[in-house]
Amino acid sequence: NAGVTQTPKFQVLKTGQSMTLQCAQDMNHNSMYWYRQDPGMGLRLIYYSASEGTTDKGEVPNGYNVSRLNKREFSLRLESAAPSQTSVYFCASDLLAGGAYEQYFGPGTRLTVT
Amino acid sequence: QQPVQSPQAVILREGEDAVINCSSSKALYSVHWYRQKHGEAPVFLMILLKGGEQKGHDKISASFNEKKQQSSLYLTASQLSYSGTYFCGTERRGGSEKLVFGKGTKLTVNP
Repeated sequence: NAGVTQTPKFQVLKTGQSMTLQCAQDMNHNSMYWYRQDPGMGLRLIYYSASEGTTDKGEVPNGYNVSRLNKREFSLRLESAAPSQTSVYFCASDLLAGGAYEQYFGPGTRLTVT
Repeated sequence: QQPVQSPQAVILREGEDAVINCSSSKALYSVHWYRQKHGEAPVFLMILLKGGEQKGHDKISASFNEKKQQSSLYLTASQLSYSGTYFCGTERRGGSEKLVFGKGTKLTVNP
């Protein structure tokens, strides 16, 4: 039981490049989330997927797109990376959004955009 | 509507107690607490629900005042392993289905 896995762990991009962050969970959770974490800002929600087949914007969605590929996988895409997107990205999952369930976090992806 | 945490940082010696507060301007359904060590992912500690139900950790306690939309996390007889950044997250019923996290409280426990 691996929990929540994320790839890659580290990435350096140049401004304008694109990339996809991958996330997978093996806990049969319905809901999945993408957060970014910047110093002093806490965890800010980018997008979430309450259930397979649905996605919704969070607090800071601009510059990102997501795909809920199946129940296990939720990817985050940066179409044209900007230095402001330098951050640590965490994927998380829980049994059901809004149901007061524990969220499980992946190990994070540290992204630098130069 | 990001919840407000206080204090922003606290430094303790081993064995001392600490209280971390989390407040919201909106009516809450639940309050979550997570701890994050440097360079690691956040880890769940506890959930407090409207109505008094509590789920979580043996050695850390918390309270939830529904009328004041406030929660407090109590760390007693602190250990070195308690060091990290503590985040509260709040959920509202009737609002969107998402957890909103505060900016965190950095706790340092020294020998």
